[in-house]
Amino acid sequence: GENVEQHPSTLSVQEGDSAVIKCTYSDSASNYFPWYKQELGKRPQLIIDIRSNVGEKKDQRIAVTLNKTAKHFSLHITETQPEDSAVYFCAGHNFNKFYFGSGTKLNVKP
Amino acid sequence: DGGITQSPKYLFRKEGQNVTLSCEQNLNHDAMYWYRQDPGQGLRLIYYSQIVNDFQKGDIAEGYSVSREKKESFPLTVTSAQKNPTAFYLCASSLARETEAFFGQGTRLTVV
Repeated sequence: GENVEQHPSTLSVQEGDSAVIKCTYSDSASNYFPWYKQELGKRPQLIIDIRSNVGEKKDQRIAVTLNKTAKHFSLHITETQPEDSAVYFCAGHNFNKFYFGSGTKLNVKP
Repeated sequence: DGGITQSPKYLFRKEGQNVTLSCEQNLNHDAMYWYRQDPGQGLRLIYYSQIVNDFQKGDIAEGYSVSREKKESFPLTVTSAQKNPTAFYLCASSLARETEAFFGQGTRLTVV
């Protein structure tokens, strides 16, 4: 089955700086890669996703890049704000299942 | 909000008891999933279902059981065979193929 690895496990940045979270996956059959944000005690919510026929996707301060050859994808958050503090999960999807990374706890210091 | 509802939000269980967590969605999604979340860990798949009356084991199915008698409902039973059931349980649903998964608000189960 698929194996998704996510780094780093924790990330602390100063407000206004950029944050980058990286994920690798093992199964080349995976074609859909969502990113979720989970605030403390709440449900994960989709913030951005990318499909395998696209190399990059951007939505305001958030962008995701995908390198299918290397089997890795990354989340980029620019101009970070304190409300970006949360746990972020990457995921891959194949064989009718989502495979999640272990999560990155992002702390944005004011 | 969200269209997928889990209940209860908090649940306490005595050791040796079975307990059932509810998950209902009104999004007309075919696929439904149960995940377990432990502190500092990611989401681990317990069971998933693509259509009514069919479901598959995930990575950590031992000690759990599910049913999918209706498209809208996917209840999870935590049995006494589950050795360490205290965790945060998340239910999710999605259209069948490579689309966003929507999560319920979760059930925090504590064994006392």
